Parts: sequence; structure tokens; C-alpha cells
Amino acid sequence: EPEVTQTPSHQVTQMGQEVILRCVPISNHLYFYWYRQILGQKVEFLVSFYNNEISEKSEIFDDQFSVERPDGSNFTLKIRSTKLEDSAMYFCASRAGLGRYEQFFGPGTRLTVL
Amino acid sequence: RKEVEQDPGPFNVPEGATVAFNCTYSNSASQSFFWYRQDCRKEPKLLMSVYSSGNEDGRFTAQLNRASQYISLLIRDSKLSDSATYLCVVNLNTGFQKLVFGTGTRLLVSP
Repeated sequence: EPEVTQTPSHQVTQMGQEVILRCVPISNHLYFYWYRQILGQKVEFLVSFYNNEISEKSEIFDDQFSVERPDGSNFTLKIRSTKLEDSAMYFCASRAGLGRYEQFFGPGTRLTVL
Repeated sequence: RKEVEQDPGPFNVPEGATVAFNCTYSNSASQSFFWYRQDCRKEPKLLMSVYSSGNEDGRFTAQLNRASQYISLLIRDSKLSDSATYLCVVNLNTGFQKLVFGTGTRLLVSP
């Protein structure tokens, strides 16, 4: 069964450093998303991406964040200058589109900012 | 009012019990509804979509009441492996379908 994959599984970084989180969505899916979950809190939407551009973003997704689909398979989330409060689990999700609304999540990247 | 509200639990039930979770949502424009399951420190996994007519998948039954903006999940014959957090999730079906999550209801099934 096809699945979303994410790398790395755990990333530790110093405050102020840049990080890039990587995702490979399910092949042939058209819509891509990033969500985050701070420990003990609910899953929160960050950004959606379709047709090579951001379609919607939350207020969390400020100028420090960017997304890219550099080739036909990868989907990345970059945080330019990490803050302590960016420590969270980051989940990538994809959706087929074409009338299908279910989103499928990758295993997540645990980001720890020291 | 929270966008999606759930009782956090935990619900402690013995194996074989029937347990029901409820969820309310605030935005009447919400169009698609889901239950996801999340194990500790893992990703949300789609359990089932929820349709207006109600739907069943094995031991799991989901119901939607649009008038009351209320969603439910019933688990029959609970197994130890059902222990997890159950997330009520809605989207507006506008724009690009961002999901809005509840905080989840924790279920603990004991032998």
C-alpha cells in the first residue's frame, strides 16, 4: 500500500539554525500539506500546496517558513531561523484530489530546537 | 467556542466493551468529517470518513448529525489494540481542504 514517507525521523538543531524537513507524498496525489503537533497539544494546519504553489497557510506559517516541491516527488518544509517554540512533531500529508478528501499522513519528523 | 471539541478522557474500558466517543464542531460550513486514530508519538491514521447516512466498518460505526453539528464514533467488542487517541477531524470543503483537529479522546482498553 502506498504511503507518505518523511526524513529525518528526528532532527536536533540549535536555535537560529535553518532546517529542512523532507517528505515524499503518495505518488499521483495532487495536494500536499504540512501540519505540526506540539507535545501534548492538537495537530495544527500549517500550509497546503497545489499545482506548485501555496494555496493556503495558517498564521503559524510566517516568513520563517517556506515550502517547495523541487522535483516530481519531494516536498520540503524549510524553517529559516529556528526558535525554541518550533520544537514539535511535523507531519506531511497528501490527498489524491479528484473528489477524494481523505488525507494520509507521513510518520513525522520530530524537531528539537535547543 | 473551539472549532472541534472532544472529551479528552481517558476512557478506561475492559476488553469486549462497547465505547462511544462524541465530538462537536462549530463551523456549520464544515463538509467532510473523519475519525483518525493516533498512537503515542505517531502520525494520525485515517480510521474512517463519516457520512451523513452513517457508516460502519467492522466493529466501528460513525454517525453525523449536521443539525446538531455532532459526530460520534462507536467501537464494539473493544480489543487491547484499540488503545489509542481518537481524533475527530473536520474540513470546510472550501479552498484546499485544510483539516481542523480536535484534541482527541484517549481510550485505554484493559484485559
